[in-house]
Amino acid sequence: SQQGEEDPQALSIQEGENATMNCSYKTSINNLQWYRQNSGRGLVHLILIRSNEREKHSGRLRVTLDTSKKSSSLLITASRAADTASYFCAFYAGGTSYGKLTFGQGTILTVHP
Amino acid sequence: DADVTQTPRNRITKTGKRIMLECSQTKGHDRMYWYRQDPGLGLQLIYYSFDVKDINKGEISDGYSVSRQAQAKFSLSLESAIPNQTALYFCATSGTGPYNEQFFGPGTRLTVL
Repeated sequence: SQQGEEDPQALSIQEGENATMNCSYKTSINNLQWYRQNSGRGLVHLILIRSNEREKHSGRLRVTLDTSKKSSSLLITASRAADTASYFCAFYAGGTSYGKLTFGQGTILTVHP
Repeated sequence: DADVTQTPRNRITKTGKRIMLECSQTKGHDRMYWYRQDPGLGLQLIYYSFDVKDINKGEISDGYSVSRQAQAKFSLSLESAIPNQTALYFCATSGTGPYNEQFFGPGTRLTVL
């Protein structure tokens, strides 16, 4: 399967702590994206990192990409209760998957006040 | 107004019924997608369309059909609904180019009894 794998499946932390989620994939990619989903809602794009980039920041988000290990991580610093959501990595795998995003299974993040 | 809208937002139907889910977008994007999400899982691609005349099957197209009525409208049909099609359905769009971020609608929660 070309599906991405994420870990942990669930993460529970206190407000103010950092949250780290990891994504691994099996194919060559053009870019890797992270999305957020509040319970039962549509996904919202958070950040995109290209295959020639190693790290990218957006506000309290930091994404790293290691193409040699085929892995990425999303770090949310100084978490807030409002960060409670599911987070998905997604990538374009190329080849017969041209133009189609493949999603990981997601990490459920719970931030306790 | 939301850029990507889906109707209905919730639907309960019975086995064997024909159901149509509709998606409209005001982003001016050529590419549109239909995904299915089951509890605790990532998104699986049902159908995708790169322009009005280009429609392609995704990973799980069996039991589904689509119609691209215009650049802005992409409908998903379940010809004869069955209980294991109970899921959250999302429409998404993206701009021209194979590796862009996607913009999601709010989803349709479908229950097949």
